[in-house]
Amino acid sequence: DAGVIQSPRHEVTEMGQEVTLRCKPISGHDYLFWYRQTMMRGLELLIYFNNNVPIDDSGMPEDRFSAKMPNASFSTLKIQPSEPRDSAVYFCACKRAQSENSPLHFGNGTRLTVT
Amino acid sequence: GENVEQHPSTLSVQEGDSAVIKCTYSDSASNYFPWYKQELGKGPQLIIDIRSNVGEKKDQRIAVTLNKTAKHFSLHITETQPEDSAVYFCAASWSNYQLIWGAGTKLIIKP
Repeated sequence: DAGVIQSPRHEVTEMGQEVTLRCKPISGHDYLFWYRQTMMRGLELLIYFNNNVPIDDSGMPEDRFSAKMPNASFSTLKIQPSEPRDSAVYFCACKRAQSENSPLHFGNGTRLTVT
Repeated sequence: GENVEQHPSTLSVQEGDSAVIKCTYSDSASNYFPWYKQELGKGPQLIIDIRSNVGEKKDQRIAVTLNKTAKHFSLHITETQPEDSAVYFCAASWSNYQLIWGAGTKLIIKP
């Protein structure tokens, strides 16, 4: 089991550019979450999916952010256009739906810097 | 809405000593309290969790206690080792799918 795979690990882009973050969850995990982590705001849930369907996107900060999950093994988080305040570490996490006690499994994150 | 406060923000202890991190929550409906450890450059990893029908849970050097009346729960690490150095997050939830996170505690183990 390779765990949750996120790419890229680091992304540096200029303000106004489109950024796409990618996530491959653990096979068989029905829930997928996108989190953002900053020093000022800590861990923030942006959106989560169940069986590829978005369930709660109330944490998505603005219309510039969008997320998709076209199939059970792939999800993307897109920022268009990017702004310096979007600089953060973005985590993808997943869990099984079978048991309430099943943990969240996080990827190692994508560190985004917008200049 | 639900709020989780975590203290201290930084904790420095001598190797071999114990460390205690405390969290309080606001929503009395919360019934699930996990603790995650985040090492540098990695995502958080669950180390222990507790449900509201249990007052204490232990796993080797790690224990969590829950006081439902006071709405607080704590993480206890005994015989600390250098590899315990990390950022620790508490969280609370009435649903295992929607966690409210504490701000984190940076634990430093001094040799």
